[in-house]
Amino acid sequence: GQNIDQPTEMTATEGAIVQINCTYQTSGFNGLFWYQQHAGEAPTFLSYNVLDGLEEKGRFSSFLSRSKGYSYLLLKELQMKDSASYLCAVMDSNYQLIWGAGTKLIIKP
Amino acid sequence: IAGITQAPTSQILAAGRRMTLRCTQDMRHNAMYWYRQDLGLGLRLIHYSNTAGTTGKGEVPDGYSVSRANTDDFPLTLASAVPSQTSVYFCASSEVSGGSTDTQYFGPGTRLTVL
Repeated sequence: GQNIDQPTEMTATEGAIVQINCTYQTSGFNGLFWYQQHAGEAPTFLSYNVLDGLEEKGRFSSFLSRSKGYSYLLLKELQMKDSASYLCAVMDSNYQLIWGAGTKLIIKP
Repeated sequence: IAGITQAPTSQILAAGRRMTLRCTQDMRHNAMYWYRQDLGLGLRLIHYSNTAGTTGKGEVPDGYSVSRANTDDFPLTLASAVPSQTSVYFCASSEVSGGSTDTQYFGPGTRLTVL
């Protein structure tokens, strides 16, 4: 079966750095996506990785290791508005997205 | 304003009733999707459409039907609602289907409660 694993909840302090991990086992791989979802709102696109390595986009970076079936999302200089759920999704061999359950990130002052 | 709209925002429905959730996009995207999101679970694909006139079944299609008469609209119908269909429903669209950079954009969601 196909499986995406990420921690259920994490807590971090404003101004700090946090790393949210995602491991996956899917039938095929056509890229990995990270989305942000604030409570009661729709998911919004953050990043996409298809090649191994780090993609940096402002305060957010995403890393992929295809051989390990592993990705992480790195958030720097945390702000209170970063409190949200972060969803990891893998595009499988049928070009359909398989979604993790999401990591709820709580930012404390 | 470009994007995806969904209606209604929320709905309480008696079991056994028929309900259609509406979704419209104005980005001229080829592909559209319906997901449900339940607490503790990832988004689950109900149905999708790669282009107008075609539809396909996702992971959890039972009890739901869709149509894609044109590019912009992708309604989701519950023929006879059951309490297990209580969920938040998201419609999404993407420019192409099958492309590796196929980013999906989501509507605001419909919160449905079936009693």
